[in-house]
Amino acid sequence: DAGVIQSPRHEVTEMGQEVTLRCKPISGHDYLFWYRQTMMRGLELLIYFNNNVPIDDSGMPEDRFSAKMPNASFSTLKIQPSEPRDSAVYFCASSTSTGMHFWEQYFGPGTRLTVT
Amino acid sequence: DAKTTQPTSMDCAEGRAANLPCNHSTISGNEYVYWYRQIHSQGPQYIIHGLKNNETNEMASLIITEDRKSSTLILPHATLRDTAVYYCIVSLTDKLIFGTGTRLQVFP
Repeated sequence: DAGVIQSPRHEVTEMGQEVTLRCKPISGHDYLFWYRQTMMRGLELLIYFNNNVPIDDSGMPEDRFSAKMPNASFSTLKIQPSEPRDSAVYFCASSTSTGMHFWEQYFGPGTRLTVT
Repeated sequence: DAKTTQPTSMDCAEGRAANLPCNHSTISGNEYVYWYRQIHSQGPQYIIHGLKNNETNEMASLIITEDRKSSTLILPHATLRDTAVYYCIVSLTDKLIFGTGTRLQVFP
C-alpha cells in the first residue's frame, strides 16, 4: 500500500488566494483526519470524517477553512482567502475501525503551506 | 479528554533502553493510552497503545501502572533513528489530542 498520499507537498501562495490541499487515504480506511502543525500551537486536529461524513469540525479555525470528502478515496481542505497566519504543515491521516489496527492513525507526509 | 504530562526533553545513549514517562492522573476507566512519535519533518507514527495491561510490540513496550494514572514507554535498545518527539495521548474515541510531547535525543 502506498500509504496516505497528500498533494501538493509544498505550496507557496500570496495572501488572499484560495488554497486547496488534497488527501488520498489508505484504501479501506473509514476515518480521515486533517491536522495542522505550527511551532506555536503544535499539532492540532482540525476536522475528521467517518464514512465520508464530517464528525467533528470543532478544530476548524474559522469560516475561511472548509473540508470535504466526496468519496472514500479523496478529501480536500480548502482555505479561502488565505492569510499569512495559515502558514503551517497540514497533515492528513486515516484509520480503520475494524481489524488488528483499530484506531491506529496513519499519517501522510504533510503539505507545507507558506502564505506570503 | 484527559490531559497528559510529559517531560519536555530526554537524552539516551545509543543501545540503552529509553524510558519515557507520562502522567495521566485524570484518565477515565475506558480511555486508552496511545503513544505516537514524530521524526523531524515527517508525519506522526503510531507506536503502541493499551488500556490496562502492559503491551509489547516490535517497536516498544508500554507499562501502565495499576491505577492507570501513569505509563512508561520503553524503547529497549535505542538507536539514532529513534530521535524524535514522543507523544503520549489518552482518548476514549478516535479523536486524538496531541500535546507537546517529549523530545528524545539519542546520542552515540
